[in-house]
Amino acid sequence: NAGVMQNPRHLVRRRGQEARLRCSPMKGHSHVYWYRQLPEEGLKFMVYLQKENIIDESGMPKERFSAEFPKEGPSILRIQQVVRGDSAAYFCASSPRQADDTSPLHFGNGTRLTVT
Amino acid sequence: SQQGEEDPQALSIQEGENATMNCSYKTSINNLQWYRQNSGRGLVHLILIRSNEREKHSGRLRVTLDTSKKSSSLLITASRAADTASYFCAHPSAGANNLFFGTGTRLTVIP
Repeated sequence: NAGVMQNPRHLVRRRGQEARLRCSPMKGHSHVYWYRQLPEEGLKFMVYLQKENIIDESGMPKERFSAEFPKEGPSILRIQQVVRGDSAAYFCASSPRQADDTSPLHFGNGTRLTVT
Repeated sequence: SQQGEEDPQALSIQEGENATMNCSYKTSINNLQWYRQNSGRGLVHLILIRSNEREKHSGRLRVTLDTSKKSSSLLITASRAADTASYFCAHPSAGANNLFFGTGTRLTVIP
């Protein structure tokens, strides 16, 4: 049973370009979470999705950022018109149930976005 | 902010010694979890303790939870060089839809 798969592992974009980060949850998991981590810091929640629905996007910037989790295919975190401040590691996690249950999250190895 | 705080921020010990990391949080919780992150990798779940539990063991790990003080500790006994990593506590908040992570403790175990 493959774990959470994220790709690409590393992504370099110039300012103003778009970044698309992909996440395939563990088999059987329908809950997906995106987190952002700056160097030497903890994880900051961005968005929580279930299949075809955004449940909580309170941690996501209102502009330039969007996320989806379609019925078929991976979850996508999209950052439009990237700026240098978007440079960070973006982690996806999945679980079979909602996070406020006693269900741990399973993390991917992240996508490291560098904006030049 | 609901984010927890951990201390120390960094801890360096000799192999074979015990390592203790502490976590404080601000809200009511129904469970608290500890995760480990190796450099350049994702987080790995270590142990979960429910709000009605005071102590839990898993191998060389011992976790305590004091809900009256809103604090938890993670003890790693007989540490090994391979335990070198960052350790984070995390908790769901009542009514929230995600886990809030602490700021982490960077543990270095010197062989």
